[in-house]
Amino acid sequence: EPEVTQTPSHQVTQMGQEVILRCVPISNHLYFYWYRQILGQKVEFLVSFYNNEISEKSEIFDDQFSVERPDGSNFTLKIRSTKLEDSAMYFCASSDKYRMSEQYFGPGTRLTVT
Amino acid sequence: TQLLEQSPQFLSIQEGENLTVYCNSSSVFSSLQWYRQEPGEGPVLLVTVVTGGEVKKLKRLTFQFGDARKDSSLHITAAQPGDTGLYLCAGAPTTSGTYKYIFGTGTRLKVLA
Repeated sequence: EPEVTQTPSHQVTQMGQEVILRCVPISNHLYFYWYRQILGQKVEFLVSFYNNEISEKSEIFDDQFSVERPDGSNFTLKIRSTKLEDSAMYFCASSDKYRMSEQYFGPGTRLTVT
Repeated sequence: TQLLEQSPQFLSIQEGENLTVYCNSSSVFSSLQWYRQEPGEGPVLLVTVVTGGEVKKLKRLTFQFGDARKDSSLHITAAQPGDTGLYLCAGAPTTSGTYKYIFGTGTRLKVLA
């Protein structure tokens, strides 16, 4: 069964460093999302992406965040200058154009900023 | 701001018992999803409900969307230890073209053998 994959599973970085989190959405899906979950808290929406542009973003998704679909399969989230409070699980999700409300999530990348 | 409150937060029951968890909001959602999440993993989609009053069954799990599309429930019949996990509801706001999910606070279920 097709699934969303994410790499790396765990990323440790120093404060101020740039990180890129990678996702491979389900192959025929057209809508892509990033969410984050700080330990012990709710899953929070960051950004949605369709047709090579951002559809919607939350107030969390400030100028230090960016997303890109560099090729036909990958979807990336870049954090330019990480802060301690960026430590969280980051989940990528995707959905197809016929069932946009059904989002399928990847296993997540645990980002630890020290 | 649309919020989804889930209750109870924690539930510990014996194998074979029935249970219901609730997902409530004062806002209307165009659809509502139920997920199950294991520690350190991503949420796994269980079901999507779209129509007010809709009932969907997935083996021993029964999902219902409220008539006004503001709330939902998940009922598990004859719970098994394999049902242990974190159950999350997530709603898609009614704003046209918006599919950012609002996630609930979660219900952590433990089924004891």
